[in-house]
Amino acid sequence: ETGVTQSPTHLIKTRGQQVTLRCSSQSGHNTVSWYQQALGQGPQFIFQYYREEENGRGNFPPRFSGLQFPNYSSELNVNALELDDSALYLCASSFRDTSNSPLHFGNGTRLTVT
Amino acid sequence: AQSVAQPEDQVNVAEGNPLTVKCTYSVSGNPYLFWYVQYPNRGLQFLLKYITGDNLVKGSYGFEAEFNKSQTSFHLKKPSALVSDSALYFCAVRDNDGGFKTIFGAGTRLFVKA
Repeated sequence: ETGVTQSPTHLIKTRGQQVTLRCSSQSGHNTVSWYQQALGQGPQFIFQYYREEENGRGNFPPRFSGLQFPNYSSELNVNALELDDSALYLCASSFRDTSNSPLHFGNGTRLTVT
Repeated sequence: AQSVAQPEDQVNVAEGNPLTVKCTYSVSGNPYLFWYVQYPNRGLQFLLKYITGDNLVKGSYGFEAEFNKSQTSFHLKKPSALVSDSALYFCAVRDNDGGFKTIFGAGTRLFVKA
């Protein structure tokens, strides 16, 4: 069983730039969720993708966008980076058809915006 | 809206002693509740879940959690703590309005002293 993998592991960007983070789901999972975890805080829900469509969004501006591909891998794109976007970005996959399926997380991408 | 609260930022316990990490929740309808653990520079790992049935749920690494509907609590417990249990613990609730998003608490840092 292949787990959730995220790339890159670390990234440094400048304010105003754009960034793309990637995630490969665990095999057999059809749903991907993205979370932002600021230092010392709990993960904050960004959005979820199911069947290649956004299926729920947290309190994040439109400059946070995403994609899910037919193989269930996913991308998180952030435009016009701000200093407050510095955080650990976590991808989690799950099997959508049973609502009690737990999330399986990758190790995250640490984004630093300077 | 669903939410969870973890009232303690940190819990300190001696190795071999029982531990409790507290969580209270607010949901409409039946709650789907989870506990996750996070080690440094890693993603979150699923420990256990409550969906329905017995109020005492057993999970990974000897952890268990007690669901109390009248007190809207879902406390994490372990009879005998290990130094290796030192980590960040998150309580979470699954949104049950059809969106399937998972909402996390702010986290509790558990420190087990040898």
